[in-house]
Amino acid sequence: RKEVEQDPGPFNVPEGATVAFNCTYSNSASQSFFWYRQDCRKEPKLLMSVYSSGNEDGRFTAQLNRASQYISLLIRDSKLSDSATYLCVVNGWGRDDKIIFGKGTRLHILP
Amino acid sequence: ETGVTQSPTHLIKTRGQQVTLRCSSQSGHNTVSWYQQALGQGPQFIFQYYREEENGRGNFPPRFSGLQFPNYSSELNVNALELDDSALYLCASSLPGGASTEAFFGQGTRLTVV
Repeated sequence: RKEVEQDPGPFNVPEGATVAFNCTYSNSASQSFFWYRQDCRKEPKLLMSVYSSGNEDGRFTAQLNRASQYISLLIRDSKLSDSATYLCVVNGWGRDDKIIFGKGTRLHILP
Repeated sequence: ETGVTQSPTHLIKTRGQQVTLRCSSQSGHNTVSWYQQALGQGPQFIFQYYREEENGRGNFPPRFSGLQFPNYSSELNVNALELDDSALYLCASSLPGGASTEAFFGQGTRLTVV
């Protein structure tokens, strides 16, 4: 099983719709979880951290399910500017652990 | 911006040559990680340095090596370049572990091997 797995997509979604992505991770000792956004030919940028209790930032909601070892990202009222690749990121605990990226899910918002 | 800068931004090398990529991390971040991102793929972990020592390595051959310096700068060295080494190379600085360990990325170096 890969350390971090995502559906590569692409997800083609009409503007204004709601879209959700899941990401599974294999290391049950993982401690920190993030969603990054990457635009074409740019570096990844932090979209939001994922907390155990779930968290929301405007139109974006992130959830963590430790029992099933997955995190999710929900985007409501999608905008054209949301078109990007969304990378799931998992980090361990302590200096010996490393940040692992999923391969990303491509999202295309259609006008 | 993130406070992480990489140089050069673009580079073309010939197969068999050696290359050094540089990264200046965010001040106070004593962990730096390097990633290779091929077109259409997610970033692949190369290795991580913590306080100037290698602290974890991904599935990359020994011709990929690195250094970290006390001033929060670091280098990625690749020997005997192969065509498949063409990719975007990203460095990221972070604090080690912790509940909110965000990785701050540089803009990347796009390496083309011909």
